[in-house]
Amino acid sequence: SQQGEEDPQALSIQEGENATMNCSYKTSINNLQWYRQNSGRGLVHLILIRSNEREKHSGRLRVTLDTSKKSSSLLITASRAADTASYFCATEPYSSASKIIFGSGTRLSIRP
Amino acid sequence: ETGVTQSPTHLIKTRGQQVTLRCSSQSGHNTVSWYQQALGQGPQFIFQYYREEENGRGNFPPRFSGLQFPNYSSELNVNALELDDSALYLCASSLGQGAIQETQYFGPGTRLLVL
Repeated sequence: SQQGEEDPQALSIQEGENATMNCSYKTSINNLQWYRQNSGRGLVHLILIRSNEREKHSGRLRVTLDTSKKSSSLLITASRAADTASYFCATEPYSSASKIIFGSGTRLSIRP
Repeated sequence: ETGVTQSPTHLIKTRGQQVTLRCSSQSGHNTVSWYQQALGQGPQFIFQYYREEENGRGNFPPRFSGLQFPNYSSELNVNALELDDSALYLCASSLGQGAIQETQYFGPGTRLLVL
C-alpha cells in the first residue's frame, strides 16, 4: 500500500499562477522527497527535506514538512508550461530506512 | 540527464516467460533501487542493493530477483511473467550506506508489456 497520498490527484491552473500540492503519510519518517515525472519517463528529484526540517526552498519551489500532522506541501510559484508533469512525494520510513515509498501522485497541467 | 541508464527501453514478452532488465548506475554510486510503476500509479519499491547485497525488499514475490555487480551495475530478473507485470520498471542509484537515504537518481525506465 502507498505510504504517501497526494492531494489533489489532478490540478489545472493558468500559467503564472501558483500550484500547491499536498502529501500525507502514515508512519514516522527519516525524510521526505518530492519528484517530478514527465509523461511516463524517469523521475527527476526536486527536493529532499529531513524530518528535523520544517521548510526548504529551491528556486521556484517551496516545501514544508509538518511531522506532527504527517504532511508535506509543495508550492510551485509563477508556474510555467514546462511545469506540466506528475509530482510525487516519497517517504523513507524510520522503521525501514532502505525503503522509499511513493504516493500516487498529482498530475499538474499548466494552461497557456 | 542523471547518468543512470537502463536497457532495453521497451520490451514485449508473453506470459510465463522470463525477463532481465539492466541498469547502469551513476558513477560513484554504490546503491541501486528498483521500482515498478503501473500506469497512473506511483512507483512501488521492489528491492534495493547496497554493495552487491540485498538491503531491503518490498512486497514482491520471489520470482522478482536481482543482482548488483562489482561495478555497481544491476539486473532485475522476473520469472514466470504474469499479465500484471506489465509496467514501467525504474532503477535509481544513490550514494548510501543502507541507512538514511541520500538523493536517488532515476534512469529513464524500461517499459515491459506482457501479452
